[in-house]
Amino acid sequence: EAGVTQFPSHSVIEKGQTVTLRCDPISGHDNLYWYRRVMGKEIKFLLHFVKESKQDESGMPNNRFLAERTGGTYSTLKVQPAELEDSGVYFCASSQDPGVTYEQYFGPGTRLTVT
Amino acid sequence: AQSVTQLDSHVSVSEGTPVLLRCNYSSSYSPSLFWYVQHPNKGLQLLLKYTSAATLVKGINGFEAEFKKSETSFHLTKPSAHMSDAAEYFCVVSFLNAGNNRKLIWGLGTSLAVNP
Repeated sequence: EAGVTQFPSHSVIEKGQTVTLRCDPISGHDNLYWYRRVMGKEIKFLLHFVKESKQDESGMPNNRFLAERTGGTYSTLKVQPAELEDSGVYFCASSQDPGVTYEQYFGPGTRLTVT
Repeated sequence: AQSVTQLDSHVSVSEGTPVLLRCNYSSSYSPSLFWYVQHPNKGLQLLLKYTSAATLVKGINGFEAEFKKSETSFHLTKPSAHMSDAAEYFCVVSFLNAGNNRKLIWGLGTSLAVNP
């Protein structure tokens, strides 16, 4: 079974540019999550999709971030325009059942550097 | 409020010696607790989880953790370190927020180095 995949693995862009990160969850997983780790800080939740619907987007930092999951399969996270403080590692995770003891399966992350 | 504190940012051990990675948590509810590991250039992988069953939890690769409610701790241990254990380890607490959404609160991570 293929795991969660993310593309690209690294991205270096200039301030003001746009970047789109992609996440492909494990097939059949309705729940998809985005997280971010800024250097020196803890991993923080960004948002949660159930199929194509946003279940919880309370962690999205501001309106420069737009997440989509058309068709309930893969998801994209767009940052437009990028700022220096957006640099970090963006993780995607998926799970079958968000019950009490659920397990989230994580991708390797996309390292975003904004210069 | 929920929080997780990993008491050591870096731990260095010799191969074959015990590993202890410390984690304290704060939770208003009965928490579920997890340890995740991230090897270089790999995704985060679940090591083990506590979900209100046995307080001593066994995970993969010989790791285990003990939930101690009185000490609000969930320390990760392994009797004998292997070179392949070198990685970053995260302690995580899970709870349902007021909106009935499951949240994960992450510790800052502990980087484990294993010396030959």
